[in-house]
Amino acid sequence: ETGVTQSPTHLIKTRGQQVTLRCSSQSGHNTVSWYQQALGQGPQFIFQYYREEENGRGNFPPRFSGLQFPNYSSELNVNALELDDSALYLCASTWPGTDTQYFGPGTRLTVL
Amino acid sequence: EDKVVQSPLSLVVHEGDTVTLNCSYEVTNFRSLLWYKQEKKAPTFLFMLTSSGIEKKSGRLSSILDKKELFSILNITATQTGDSAIYLCAVPKAAGNKLTFGGGTRVLVKP
Repeated sequence: ETGVTQSPTHLIKTRGQQVTLRCSSQSGHNTVSWYQQALGQGPQFIFQYYREEENGRGNFPPRFSGLQFPNYSSELNVNALELDDSALYLCASTWPGTDTQYFGPGTRLTVL
Repeated sequence: EDKVVQSPLSLVVHEGDTVTLNCSYEVTNFRSLLWYKQEKKAPTFLFMLTSSGIEKKSGRLSSILDKKELFSILNITATQTGDSAIYLCAVPKAAGNKLTFGGGTRVLVKP
């Protein structure tokens, strides 16, 4: 157990809908990263938040957006869902300046 | 752009066998290389390697880094069914920032 929690565990949406995924970081970690893992692939970096500001972004369109709150928890929002957005969404937290990221259990999103 | 490639894609072994997993990388400003084990959902941290030639060990798992040849190896000895998982390696872009992952190696250990 890493102390990183995510909700919900599973989610089913239809194309065009919007979704919000949530993450609580490990105690003391003020940096949160989000990753998308499609079936059979390694996780792909979406973006990172540090002290409530976006601190790096991967090759994802603007309909992927996020927030970080003062307690370091974070949200990932995806608008206008597409079938290809079906994946496992992982949240990871870390202390700033360290490389090891600790992952939550993920949210499995299915878009129909 | 940073690149991480893992091989083999998958392998099937029997309990007691030894497994060797490979991870090669091309990154600018190398900092470290991390290994994770992913059983169902959450990747769990195994090792972080920063120096070439130094072996990290944890029980039956060990890993070594070759910074000259740009690869790392993860070894699992005396495999057990509980070692069945996807093994991922990753390199960070900068301190605490983006991790670039390889595609993973799926290991199945049969009784």
